[in-house]
Amino acid sequence: EAQVTQNPRYLITVTGKKLTVTCSQNMNHEYMSWYRQDPGLGLRQIYYSMNVEVTDKGDVPEGYKVSRKEKRNFPLILESPSPNQTSLYFCAAGTGSYNSPLHFGNGTRLTVT
Amino acid sequence: DQQVKQNSPSLSVQEGRISILNCDYTNSMFDYFLWYKKYPAEGPTFLISISSIKDKNEDGRFTVFLNKSAKHLSLHIVPSQPGDSAVYFCAASASVRLTYSGGGADGLTFGKGTHLIIQP
Repeated sequence: EAQVTQNPRYLITVTGKKLTVTCSQNMNHEYMSWYRQDPGLGLRQIYYSMNVEVTDKGDVPEGYKVSRKEKRNFPLILESPSPNQTSLYFCAAGTGSYNSPLHFGNGTRLTVT
Repeated sequence: DQQVKQNSPSLSVQEGRISILNCDYTNSMFDYFLWYKKYPAEGPTFLISISSIKDKNEDGRFTVFLNKSAKHLSLHIVPSQPGDSAVYFCAASASVRLTYSGGGADGLTFGKGTHLIIQP
């Protein structure tokens, strides 16, 4: 079964404490991406990766880092989280083609106090 | 600049009736359109798509209509069922990207979503 797995599902942390949200896919897709969903703002892209060691900024990259050391994993790193990063985060994977749907993980709800 | 707009944050429809969700776009370079469905505590799942060379695509109870001249698409659900209650996101992408405008390498730009509520 095609899957994108995110961990953890829920996370509460304090301002400034580094955290990592993991994302793994079993579809051997080259393209992976991170989104955040906020009320009234829909889905906004944070970072994406076209392949191993190839990453690029999306629409809202400030305060985030990513890495793509292997095809299946694409972790999202918050070096110094702030309350405005409280959000619902989704990882997605796909072929990267304009006409190919993305497969999304089930989300990580992050609260930064 | 919001390139994909879903102007109705929510929509309530009676079970058995038709649900019509609307989406407008401004970028004439968009040539592929997708609808995603999202339940609470789950990620968005792909529902149906349409290429700009078509004006209609049907899959069971779901039909997407595209009006290129009006830059408008709509998702019709007939008949509506309780399990259709969810948030629906419209998304658009371009096969040719002349300038970087966000949305990643596939140029996928999402609307803000419409919460569909099916009432018994």
